[in-house]
Amino acid sequence: EAQVTQNPRYLITVTGKKLTVTCSQNMNHEYMSWYRQDPGLGLRQIYYSMNVEVTDKGDVPEGYKVSRKEKRNFPLILESPSPNQTSLYFCASSPGTGGKETQYFGPGTRLLVL
Amino acid sequence: RKEVEQDPGPFNVPEGATVAFNCTYSNSASQSFFWYRQDCRKEPKLLMSVYSSGNEDGRFTAQLNRASQYISLLIRDSKLSDSATYLCVVTQSGSARQLTFGSGTQLTVLP
Repeated sequence: EAQVTQNPRYLITVTGKKLTVTCSQNMNHEYMSWYRQDPGLGLRQIYYSMNVEVTDKGDVPEGYKVSRKEKRNFPLILESPSPNQTSLYFCASSPGTGGKETQYFGPGTRLLVL
Repeated sequence: RKEVEQDPGPFNVPEGATVAFNCTYSNSASQSFFWYRQDCRKEPKLLMSVYSSGNEDGRFTAQLNRASQYISLLIRDSKLSDSATYLCVVTQSGSARQLTFGSGTQLTVLP
């Protein structure tokens, strides 16, 4: 089944404790991205990647890191999480090297930073 | 001003009603337009792309007005299963950020 998977789905952590949210897609898509969704603000792009080893900042990159060592994986790293990073996070992928095609989203990761 | 703005909602309509959502965008160079649907606590899924000439998919009709920089979504004969949040999405020509989402309009179809 073609899909985007994220892990973990739910995470409660404390301020400053490094964490990684994994994202994997099995559709051989070039483009992958991370979003956070907050009430009233909609989805905001954190980082995106147009291909292996090519990543760039989105709207709200501060406090996040990403890497794209393999085509299928695009982990999101929070080196020192803070309470304002409490949010719902979505990973997405799409064919092609831009984001103009249909985005396929993962199921989301709910993060609470205490 | 937000780059993509949507009707604030929420919209509560009876089953069978026709409902319309609007979305305005600020960048006149925007290239592609979409409507996504998001069910509560779930991931967004593509509902339909929006083409310059307007397009229809069953009970759903999408229209684009480039001169006025807005897109619309019309839902006819609303079903209970149409209850969701509808997200307007615009791609930005020449922008590294690629995609911009509106904050969404919540629709509840009542029996």
